[in-house]
Amino acid sequence: KQEVTQIPAALSVPEGENLVLNCSFTDSAIYNLQWFRQDPGKGLTSLLLIQSSQREQTSGRLNASLDKSSGRSTLYIAASQPGDSATYLCAVSQYNQGGKLIFGQGTELSVKP
Amino acid sequence: KAGVTQTPRYLIKTRGQQVTLSCSPISGHRSVSWYQQTPGQGLQFLFEYFSETQRNKGNFPGRFSGRQFSNSRSEMNVSTLELGDSALYLCASSLSGLATEAFFGQGTRLTVV
Repeated sequence: KQEVTQIPAALSVPEGENLVLNCSFTDSAIYNLQWFRQDPGKGLTSLLLIQSSQREQTSGRLNASLDKSSGRSTLYIAASQPGDSATYLCAVSQYNQGGKLIFGQGTELSVKP
Repeated sequence: KAGVTQTPRYLIKTRGQQVTLSCSPISGHRSVSWYQQTPGQGLQFLFEYFSETQRNKGNFPGRFSGRQFSNSRSEMNVSTLELGDSALYLCASSLSGLATEAFFGQGTRLTVV
């Protein structure tokens, strides 16, 4: 059974720092991995999608990497800003599971001015 | 282009009642998935519909059901509400659900009293 874990559960950093969020999964037979952002009480905003054949994806200050063999992904945020404060979630999809996503518990990020 | 629309945004129901939530996916998307989000359990997959057929189902009791219409709009229904059904219900749409990016709506906050 696929399990997705995100460490740390919470992170507080001063503005301007570069930071890394971690996501690990137990079954490497994934279709893709997606990173989302969630603001309190709101829906999820898709940040990056990495297909299983890819190693990384970049969007602006965000860079996500995927190492399928070791069951790990990292989300790198450069030059963090207070507006980056949110909960970051990773999710994997698997073969023969259609569009079902399996989520980690998330990392709650706080960027202090 | 318009995003995923969920209605209503907030609901308060009494134990024992039933409720219907609605999700309109992004135009052209044929896969709609539903998730329940609670502080204790995180995001849990309810079911996925593709071309009006349920393609995948999570581990929820039969009180939770759904359907998809020919225009890809989807509804989920919860009968005989329990206090533990209080949660944020999120809908996600994607082109096909297979290795394609998922986009989420703002969610419906259901409170059962």
